[in-house]
Amino acid sequence: DGGITQSPKYLFRKEGQNVTLSCEQNLNHDAMYWYRQDPGQGLRLIYYSQIVNDFQKGDIAEGYSVSREKKESFPLTVTSAQKNPTAFYLCASSIVGLAEETQYFGPGTRLLVL
Amino acid sequence: DQQVKQNSPSLSVQEGRISILNCDYTNSMFDYFLWYKKYPAEGPTFLISISSIKDKNEDGRFTVFLNKSAKHLSLHIVPSQPGDSAVYFCAASSPEGGSEKLVFGKGTKLTVNP
Repeated sequence: DGGITQSPKYLFRKEGQNVTLSCEQNLNHDAMYWYRQDPGQGLRLIYYSQIVNDFQKGDIAEGYSVSREKKESFPLTVTSAQKNPTAFYLCASSIVGLAEETQYFGPGTRLLVL
Repeated sequence: DQQVKQNSPSLSVQEGRISILNCDYTNSMFDYFLWYKKYPAEGPTFLISISSIKDKNEDGRFTVFLNKSAKHLSLHIVPSQPGDSAVYFCAASSPEGGSEKLVFGKGTKLTVNP
């Protein structure tokens, strides 16, 4: 059963702490993405990666970091530099090379600051 | 500058009637449009898409219409069901931005009343 998994479902961060959100996909998709959703807002792109060991900044990359060591995995670290981390984080993936690509999303992780 | 706009934050309809969700865009280079449905605390689910070479795409109860001259698209749901109650996001991509740069609207919350 193919899909995208994100863990944990809820995550709590203390001041000055880095936290890492997991995203795994078994769809054999080349591209993976991280979005942030705030109440009443659309999805904003944080980082994306189209190939292993390569990634690009999205619109709101400051305070975040990523890695892409494996095709299946694209973890997101929310660093202490991110001053307003409370949000719903969504991971997505897609096939690269199609004229009309569709991104498919995981279930999300809600990050809360203690 | 918001390139994809969903001007109605919410919409309420009666079960069995038609739901019409609207989306406007400003970038004339957008050539692929998608609608996603999102339940609270879950990831968005891909619903239906349309390429700029078409003006209509239908999938069961869902039809998307594209008016390129007006830079407007709409999602019609007929007949509406209580299970359709969710937030609907419109998204668009362009060849210059690449499909990795989907631009999302802020969403419209649809409530279907029994």
